[in-house]
Amino acid sequence: DTGVSQDPRHKITKRGQNVTFRCDPISEHNRLYWYRQTLGQGPEFLTYFQNEAQLEKSRLLSDRFSAERPKGSFSTLEIQRTEQGDSAMYLCASSLSRGAGEQYFGPGTRLTVT
Amino acid sequence: LAKTTQPISMDSYEGQEVNITCSHNNIATNDYITWYQQFPSQGPRFIIQGYKTKVTNEVASLFIPADRKSSTLSLPRVSLSDTAVYYCLVGLLIYNQGGKLIFGQGTELSVKP
Repeated sequence: DTGVSQDPRHKITKRGQNVTFRCDPISEHNRLYWYRQTLGQGPEFLTYFQNEAQLEKSRLLSDRFSAERPKGSFSTLEIQRTEQGDSAMYLCASSLSRGAGEQYFGPGTRLTVT
Repeated sequence: LAKTTQPISMDSYEGQEVNITCSHNNIATNDYITWYQQFPSQGPRFIIQGYKTKVTNEVASLFIPADRKSSTLSLPRVSLSDTAVYYCLVGLLIYNQGGKLIFGQGTELSVKP
Protein backbone atom coordinates (compact mmCIF):
# COMPACT_ATOMS: atom_id res chain seq x y z
CA ASP A 1 0.00 0.00 0.00
CA THR A 2 1.51 3.32 -1.06
CA GLY A 3 -0.97 5.59 0.71
CA VAL A 4 -0.41 7.89 3.67
CA SER A 5 0.33 5.98 6.85
CA GLN A 6 0.16 7.13 10.45
CA ASP A 7 1.49 5.63 13.62
CA PRO A 8 0.17 4.85 16.15
CA ARG A 9 -3.47 4.44 15.22
CA HIS A 10 -4.57 4.86 18.82
CA LYS A 11 -2.91 6.48 21.82
CA ILE A 12 -4.17 6.72 25.36
CA THR A 13 -2.18 8.93 27.67
CA LYS A 14 -2.53 10.61 31.00
CA ARG A 15 -2.86 14.36 31.30
CA GLY A 16 0.51 16.02 31.47
CA GLN A 17 2.37 13.41 29.44
CA ASN A 18 4.04 14.09 26.09
CA VAL A 19 3.01 12.23 22.96
CA THR A 20 4.49 12.02 19.48
CA PHE A 21 2.76 10.92 16.29
CA ARG A 22 4.36 9.98 13.01
CA CYS A 23 3.13 10.43 9.46
CA ASP A 24 4.60 8.91 6.31
CA PRO A 25 3.25 10.65 3.21
CA ILE A 26 2.99 9.35 -0.33
CA SER A 27 6.59 9.30 -1.46
CA GLU A 28 6.42 11.73 -4.37
CA HIS A 29 4.31 14.31 -2.51
CA ASN A 30 6.23 17.38 -1.40
CA ARG A 31 3.45 18.81 0.77
CA LEU A 32 2.40 17.39 4.12
CA TYR A 33 -0.45 18.61 6.29
CA TRP A 34 -1.69 18.02 9.84
CA TYR A 35 -5.34 18.37 10.84
CA ARG A 36 -7.27 17.69 14.02
CA GLN A 37 -10.84 16.43 14.14
CA THR A 38 -13.22 16.16 17.08
CA LEU A 39 -16.48 14.23 17.08
CA GLY A 40 -19.15 15.72 14.86
CA GLN A 41 -16.89 18.39 13.40
CA GLY A 42 -14.95 18.69 10.19
CA PRO A 43 -11.17 18.49 10.31
CA GLU A 44 -9.35 21.65 11.46
CA PHE A 45 -6.09 22.67 9.85
CA LEU A 46 -3.04 22.72 12.12
CA THR A 47 0.03 23.16 9.94
CA TYR A 48 1.63 22.23 6.65
CA PHE A 49 5.05 21.70 5.14
CA GLN A 50 6.45 22.03 1.68
CA ASN A 51 9.43 19.71 1.67
CA GLU A 52 11.12 20.40 5.01
CA ALA A 53 9.88 23.99 5.35
CA GLN A 54 6.92 24.65 7.64
CA LEU A 55 4.91 27.18 5.62
CA GLU A 56 1.88 27.84 7.78
CA LYS A 57 0.73 27.22 11.34
CA SER A 58 -2.78 27.65 12.65
CA ARG A 59 -3.52 29.65 15.78
CA LEU A 60 -4.84 26.31 17.07
CA LEU A 61 -1.24 25.13 17.27
CA SER A 62 -0.32 26.31 20.74
CA ASP A 63 3.19 26.36 22.16
CA ARG A 64 2.65 22.82 23.39
CA PHE A 65 2.43 21.56 19.81
CA SER A 66 5.40 21.18 17.53
CA ALA A 67 5.69 19.59 14.12
CA GLU A 68 8.77 18.68 12.14
CA ARG A 69 9.59 17.26 8.77
CA PRO A 70 13.37 17.00 8.99
CA LYS A 71 14.27 15.56 5.61
CA GLY A 72 11.18 16.43 3.68
CA SER A 73 9.83 12.90 3.98
CA PHE A 74 8.05 11.73 7.15
CA SER A 75 6.75 14.15 9.75
CA THR A 76 6.20 14.07 13.50
CA LEU A 77 3.68 15.97 15.58
CA GLU A 78 4.49 16.28 19.27
CA ILE A 79 2.14 17.44 21.98
CA GLN A 80 3.75 18.35 25.27
CA ARG A 81 1.93 18.37 28.61
CA THR A 82 -1.24 16.94 27.13
CA GLU A 83 -4.62 18.22 28.30
CA GLN A 84 -8.01 16.56 28.08
CA GLY A 85 -8.99 19.05 25.39
CA ASP A 86 -6.29 17.56 23.16
CA SER A 87 -8.35 14.39 22.80
CA ALA A 88 -9.15 14.15 19.09
CA MET A 89 -8.31 12.40 15.85
CA TYR A 90 -5.08 13.73 14.37
CA LEU A 91 -5.05 13.42 10.61
CA CYS A 92 -2.12 13.70 8.26
CA ALA A 93 -2.44 14.37 4.54
CA SER A 94 -0.09 14.85 1.63
CA SER A 95 -0.28 16.33 -1.82
CA LEU A 96 1.70 17.65 -4.73
CA SER A 97 2.16 21.41 -4.55
CA ARG A 98 0.50 21.84 -7.92
CA GLY A 99 -2.60 20.01 -6.70
CA ALA A 100 -3.04 21.22 -3.16
CA GLY A 101 -6.80 20.83 -3.39
CA GLU A 102 -6.44 17.08 -3.82
CA GLN A 103 -4.99 15.92 -0.55
CA TYR A 104 -4.59 12.29 0.40
CA PHE A 105 -5.39 11.58 4.01
CA GLY A 106 -4.07 8.90 6.31
CA PRO A 107 -6.25 6.87 8.68
CA GLY A 108 -5.50 9.17 11.59
CA THR A 109 -4.24 8.75 15.14
CA ARG A 110 -6.93 8.81 17.79
CA LEU A 111 -5.64 10.41 20.97
CA THR A 112 -7.42 9.99 24.28
CA VAL A 113 -6.15 12.00 27.23
CA THR A 114 -7.38 10.73 30.58
CA LEU B 1 -11.62 31.85 2.23
CA ALA B 2 -15.28 31.78 1.25
CA LYS B 3 -17.70 30.40 3.83
CA THR B 4 -19.87 27.50 2.73
CA THR B 5 -23.35 26.42 3.80
CA GLN B 6 -24.70 22.93 3.19
CA PRO B 7 -27.48 20.82 4.72
CA ILE B 8 -26.58 19.08 7.96
CA SER B 9 -28.07 15.78 6.85
CA MET B 10 -29.84 14.03 4.00
CA ASP B 11 -31.55 10.68 3.60
CA SER B 12 -31.79 8.62 0.44
CA TYR B 13 -32.52 5.10 -0.76
CA GLU B 14 -30.35 2.74 -2.70
CA GLY B 15 -30.42 3.33 -6.43
CA GLN B 16 -31.51 6.95 -6.21
CA GLU B 17 -29.57 9.95 -7.45
CA VAL B 18 -28.50 12.26 -4.64
CA ASN B 19 -27.84 15.95 -5.08
CA ILE B 20 -26.13 17.90 -2.30
CA THR B 21 -26.12 21.66 -2.74
CA CYS B 22 -23.57 23.99 -1.21
CA SER B 23 -23.93 27.78 -0.99
CA HIS B 24 -20.84 29.98 -1.21
CA ASN B 25 -22.06 33.51 -1.82
CA ASN B 26 -18.69 35.13 -1.19
CA ILE B 27 -16.66 32.99 -3.56
CA ALA B 28 -13.69 34.85 -5.02
CA THR B 29 -12.75 34.96 -8.68
CA ASN B 30 -9.78 32.61 -8.23
CA ASP B 31 -11.49 30.14 -5.88
CA TYR B 32 -12.12 26.54 -6.83
CA ILE B 33 -14.85 24.30 -5.42
CA THR B 34 -13.77 20.97 -3.98
CA TRP B 35 -15.75 18.13 -2.43
CA TYR B 36 -14.51 15.50 0.00
CA GLN B 37 -16.12 12.36 1.41
CA GLN B 38 -15.44 10.93 4.86
CA PHE B 39 -16.42 7.56 6.25
CA PRO B 40 -16.46 6.98 10.02
CA SER B 41 -13.00 6.49 11.52
CA GLN B 42 -11.26 7.31 8.24
CA GLY B 43 -9.60 10.38 6.81
CA PRO B 44 -11.47 12.43 4.17
CA ARG B 45 -11.19 11.41 0.54
CA PHE B 46 -11.09 13.78 -2.42
CA ILE B 47 -14.10 13.37 -4.72
CA ILE B 48 -14.10 16.15 -7.28
CA GLN B 49 -12.98 19.71 -7.97
CA GLY B 50 -14.25 22.32 -10.39
CA TYR B 51 -14.28 26.00 -11.31
CA LYS B 52 -17.34 26.47 -13.48
CA THR B 53 -20.08 24.66 -15.44
CA LYS B 54 -19.87 20.90 -15.07
CA VAL B 55 -17.19 18.45 -14.08
CA THR B 56 -17.68 14.68 -14.13
CA ASN B 57 -15.51 11.80 -13.02
CA GLU B 58 -16.09 8.13 -12.32
CA VAL B 59 -17.55 8.88 -8.90
CA ALA B 60 -19.65 12.04 -9.17
CA SER B 61 -20.62 15.14 -11.10
CA LEU B 62 -20.24 18.71 -9.98
CA PHE B 63 -22.57 21.38 -11.30
CA ILE B 64 -21.63 25.03 -10.94
CA PRO B 65 -23.95 27.78 -12.22
CA ALA B 66 -22.64 30.83 -14.00
CA ASP B 67 -22.66 33.06 -10.90
CA ARG B 68 -20.71 30.37 -8.97
CA LYS B 69 -22.50 31.26 -5.73
CA SER B 70 -23.53 27.66 -5.25
CA SER B 71 -22.58 24.20 -6.44
CA THR B 72 -24.25 20.80 -6.49
CA LEU B 73 -22.56 17.47 -5.98
CA SER B 74 -24.47 14.73 -7.76
CA LEU B 75 -24.03 11.07 -6.83
CA PRO B 76 -25.69 8.74 -9.34
CA ARG B 77 -27.48 5.60 -8.10
CA VAL B 78 -26.19 5.61 -4.54
CA SER B 79 -25.56 2.43 -2.59
CA LEU B 80 -25.34 1.73 1.12
CA SER B 81 -21.58 2.25 0.91
CA ASP B 82 -22.11 5.91 -0.03
CA THR B 83 -23.29 6.61 3.51
CA ALA B 84 -20.76 9.18 4.66
CA VAL B 85 -20.20 12.85 5.43
CA TYR B 86 -19.68 15.07 2.39
CA TYR B 87 -17.78 18.33 2.67
CA CYS B 88 -17.88 21.29 0.30
CA LEU B 89 -14.77 23.48 0.34
CA VAL B 90 -14.02 26.68 -1.49
CA GLY B 91 -10.62 28.26 -1.90
CA LEU B 92 -7.61 28.83 -4.03
CA LEU B 93 -6.62 25.17 -4.11
CA ILE B 94 -5.00 24.48 -7.39
CA TYR B 95 -1.54 24.54 -8.88
CA ASN B 96 0.92 26.14 -6.48
CA GLN B 97 -1.60 28.23 -4.66
CA GLY B 98 -3.28 27.64 -1.34
CA GLY B 99 -2.58 24.76 0.96
CA LYS B 100 -4.82 24.33 3.92
CA LEU B 101 -8.31 22.94 3.56
CA ILE B 102 -11.07 24.64 5.54
CA PHE B 103 -13.80 22.15 6.36
CA GLY B 104 -17.29 23.03 7.57
CA GLN B 105 -19.60 20.60 9.32
CA GLY B 106 -20.46 18.78 6.12
CA THR B 107 -23.59 16.92 5.06
CA GLU B 108 -24.23 13.55 6.63
CA LEU B 109 -25.76 11.37 3.94
CA SER B 110 -27.61 8.27 5.03
CA VAL B 111 -28.49 5.73 2.34
CA LYS B 112 -31.16 3.22 3.28
CA PRO B 113 -32.00 -0.11 1.65
